[in-house]
Amino acid sequence: RKEVEQDPGPFNVPEGATVAFNCTYSNSASQSFFWYRQDCRKEPKLLMSVYSSGNEDGRFTAQLNRASQYISLLIRDSKLSDSATYLCVVNRAGTALIFGKGTTLSVSS
Amino acid sequence: DTGVSQNPRHKITKRGQNVTFRCDPISEHNRLYWYRQTLGQGPEFLTYFQNEAQLEKSRLLSDRFSAERPKGSFSTLEIQRTEQGDSAMYLCASSLAEVPGELFFGEGSRLTVL
Repeated sequence: RKEVEQDPGPFNVPEGATVAFNCTYSNSASQSFFWYRQDCRKEPKLLMSVYSSGNEDGRFTAQLNRASQYISLLIRDSKLSDSATYLCVVNRAGTALIFGKGTTLSVSS
Repeated sequence: DTGVSQNPRHKITKRGQNVTFRCDPISEHNRLYWYRQTLGQGPEFLTYFQNEAQLEKSRLLSDRFSAERPKGSFSTLEIQRTEQGDSAMYLCASSLAEVPGELFFGEGSRLTVL
């Protein structure tokens, strides 16, 4: 079983839609959680960290459920510019970040 | 440009040849990471350094792969006796040890093994 598993994509949604991505992690020792965004043929970039209490950054909301080892990312009011691959990332203390396979989002007009 | 720099950007080689990639991290970053990414997959961890010390290597990393960061600044990743399965984008990233979750990636070095 992979350490980080994500919803298979792609997600194709119209502008203005709300879309949610899910991610599960297998190692209960994981301590830190993130969502990265990767545009086509570009390098990954940090989108947001995920905190236990849940956190929001504009149209983006991240949630963490440690008991279920589950992470989510909600995007409200999707924009064309949100089209990208979203990577779920986990980290155990003293180790490097482990990336999921990514979920591709395509927002159309 | 003060971002992460990788060279060469593209490398085409024949099977069995050795290749070396270089990464220059953001200057104040003490951590440096190497990842590999193939089409449709997320970045796969290879190894990382804190200053000049190599702190972790992936169990999946073949003995043909070696990485160095001799002075705690730039790093090199060498692949010996390349195989077609080594074809991938090799990504370097750097971060501050105090902020390990925020990796700054370079644009990558694309390797094609014929």
